[in-house]
Amino acid sequence: EAGVTQFPSHSVIEKGQTVTLRCDPISGHDNLYWYRRVMGKEIKFLLHFVKESKQDESGMPNNRFLAERTGGTYSTLKVQPAELEDSGVYFCASSQVYGGGEQYFGPGTRLTVT
Amino acid sequence: GESVGLHLPTLSVQEGDNSIINCAYSNSASDYFIWYKQESGKGPQFIIDIRSNMDKRQGQRVTVLLNKTVKHLSLQIAATQPGDSAVYFCAEINAGGTSYGKLTFGQGTILTVHP
Repeated sequence: EAGVTQFPSHSVIEKGQTVTLRCDPISGHDNLYWYRRVMGKEIKFLLHFVKESKQDESGMPNNRFLAERTGGTYSTLKVQPAELEDSGVYFCASSQVYGGGEQYFGPGTRLTVT
Repeated sequence: GESVGLHLPTLSVQEGDNSIINCAYSNSASDYFIWYKQESGKGPQFIIDIRSNMDKRQGQRVTVLLNKTVKHLSLQIAATQPGDSAVYFCAEINAGGTSYGKLTFGQGTILTVHP
C-alpha cells in the first residue's frame, strides 16, 4: 500500500510569489490533514478535510493560505503571496478513522521563502 | 491555550539501555494521547497511543504511561537500538466540537542512541 505522498519535496521561492503544495493521501482515507512546522517551533495543525469538506480550518494562519480537496482525493495548499514567515516544513497526513490519532504522515514539503 | 510540552529536549543513551521520554500536557480535557517518531527526512510515524481512561499501554518494546493527576505522559523504549534515534513527539487529541482529529504536538525530544 502506497503511503502519503507530497510534492514537491522542497520549494524555494521569493517573497510575494505563489506556491502550491500537493498531497496525495492513502487511498480510501477520507480524512486529510495539513500541518506545518516553522523553524524551532512545534508541529502545528492547519486544517482537516473529511472527503472534500473542510471539517476544521481553525489553524490556517491567514487568508493567504488556501486549501482545496476537490473530489475528495488529493489536496492542494496554496500560499499567495508567500511571506518570509511562511518558511517551514508542511506535512500532510491522512487517516481512515475520524478523530483517530493514527494519522499517516507524508514526508513533508520544505518551503523556503527568501 | 492548550499546549503539550516536553521536559527534555535531548536524550542520549547507549545501545541496549532503556529510554524514557517525558511529556507534560495542560489540557485536562484531552482524551487521547499519541507518541510519534520522526526520522530525518521523513514525516512523523505513529508509535503508540493511549486513551485517557487508561494509565498504561504496551507495544512492541514500547510502553506509554499516563498520569492524569499530574498531567504527565511518558514513552519507555526497552533495549534501545541505534535505529530508535529520532525525534519523538507527544501529541494529544481533544474530543468534541469540530476539532476532533486535530493533533496538538509537543516540541519534540531528540533521542540519540550510541552503539
